[in-house]
Amino acid sequence: NAGVTQTPKFQVLKTGQSMTLQCAQDMNHNSMYWYRQDPGMGLRLIYYSASEGTTDKGEVPNGYNVSRLNKREFSLRLESAAPSQTSVYFCASSGRGWPQHFGDGTRLSIL
Amino acid sequence: GNSVTQMEGPVTLSEEAFLTINCTYTATGYPSLFWYVQYPGEGLQLLLKATKADDKGSNKGFEATYRKETTSFHLEKGSVQVSDSAVYFCALSAAYSNNDMRFGAGTRLTVKP
Repeated sequence: NAGVTQTPKFQVLKTGQSMTLQCAQDMNHNSMYWYRQDPGMGLRLIYYSASEGTTDKGEVPNGYNVSRLNKREFSLRLESAAPSQTSVYFCASSGRGWPQHFGDGTRLSIL
Repeated sequence: GNSVTQMEGPVTLSEEAFLTINCTYTATGYPSLFWYVQYPGEGLQLLLKATKADDKGSNKGFEATYRKETTSFHLEKGSVQVSDSAVYFCALSAAYSNNDMRFGAGTRLTVKP
């Protein structure tokens, strides 16, 4: 009964390094989302995918890329990490048009 | 643009007290409104929702009514428990796009025995 699984849970990067955050869901949902959560700001949408093979920008897409590898998996890539990207990242999925199930988050620190 | 403003915290209550967390919104048209809850170390969980004016969403003893005249969606619970301690987020989904969801900043609730 996994739901939405994110890896890794924690990561520390140096400025300029790259990394990929992984997300997988086992609920056969069409829609998947990547959010970032910053103190005092709630969640902000980075990218979303309404279905396999499609992706669209959200509110704060700059500095990120995504790949919807198949229906289960939706990855988020930081090509050249910056301190401003220090945040907690959440992946979510939905079968009804709004985010229903969230992963436990990836806490990312960029030095 | 669309936005959500919710009551700043933190909120600390004694067990069995009445809870209200205020949420107001600004949006074009008729958005859908949501409350999410985040327990420590976990992701958000959908707590309740309302998709049209005067709808009441309810779950686990929590409820909220979609008030278009006051653009509000306040969360209430009659008797809180220690297990309700969490961060609560109000959110709206734009009438024209379910992918355009805006979240409030969150309100941390602590319930003491």
